[in-house]
Amino acid sequence: QVQLQQSGPGLVKPSQTLSLTCAISGDSVSSNSATWNWIRQSPSRGLEWLGRTYYRSKWYDDYAVSVQSRITINPDTSKNQFSLQLNSVTPEDTAVYYCARSTSHLDYWGQGTLVTVSS
Amino acid sequence: QTVVTQEPSFSVSPGGTVTLTCGLSSGSVSTSSSPSWYQQTPGQAPRTLIYNTNARSSGVPDRFSGSILGNKAALTITGAQADDESDYYCVLYMGRDIWDFGGGTKLTVL
Repeated sequence: QVQLQQSGPGLVKPSQTLSLTCAISGDSVSSNSATWNWIRQSPSRGLEWLGRTYYRSKWYDDYAVSVQSRITINPDTSKNQFSLQLNSVTPEDTAVYYCARSTSHLDYWGQGTLVTVSS
Repeated sequence: QTVVTQEPSFSVSPGGTVTLTCGLSSGSVSTSSSPSWYQQTPGQAPRTLIYNTNARSSGVPDRFSGSILGNKAALTITGAQADDESDYYCVLYMGRDIWDFGGGTKLTVL
């Protein structure tokens, strides 16, 4: 059974960097058949896919156009986890952030982390 | 920019049948869009119901089914139960490794 456990701060100041981690059990971040995604949800924007990382003989990443200038998703093979960094946050980045595994679809999700951007 | 569209809300009587749809503001949904459906209750992460148009996720009751109806993806709930009252989201593959969510349908069972 795959489980994804999220960690990270729930409060970030404007202009700073949002950082979250998703620890994987029951699968490997280096899997050749899965991708590892970050998604957020807010009342104003609904569910929004932010980006992913995946391994297919080498590492790849893809990002949503809306955040591509500010986002980095990195794998950590030593800890079997992946991370999200979102730079220069504003109050519009306030949302519940989810990590999720995708095979043919988003099949396993983390528990969600409410991140509030406020001074 | 093409937007994934869903009915904002829907209601169904207990035991009744309801079909929720997922379309595109421009164009048609087909099996190549690999539509998937998720159920979400307040405070919980989304739960996968249907993927690849009509494949039911493990543990999902067979009263949930997926299909393509005309130019939209559809989620049908047959014999609705009180605990089906949730938000339902569809996700479509938009090409270029991009997936997009619909705005969700709030289903009321009453």
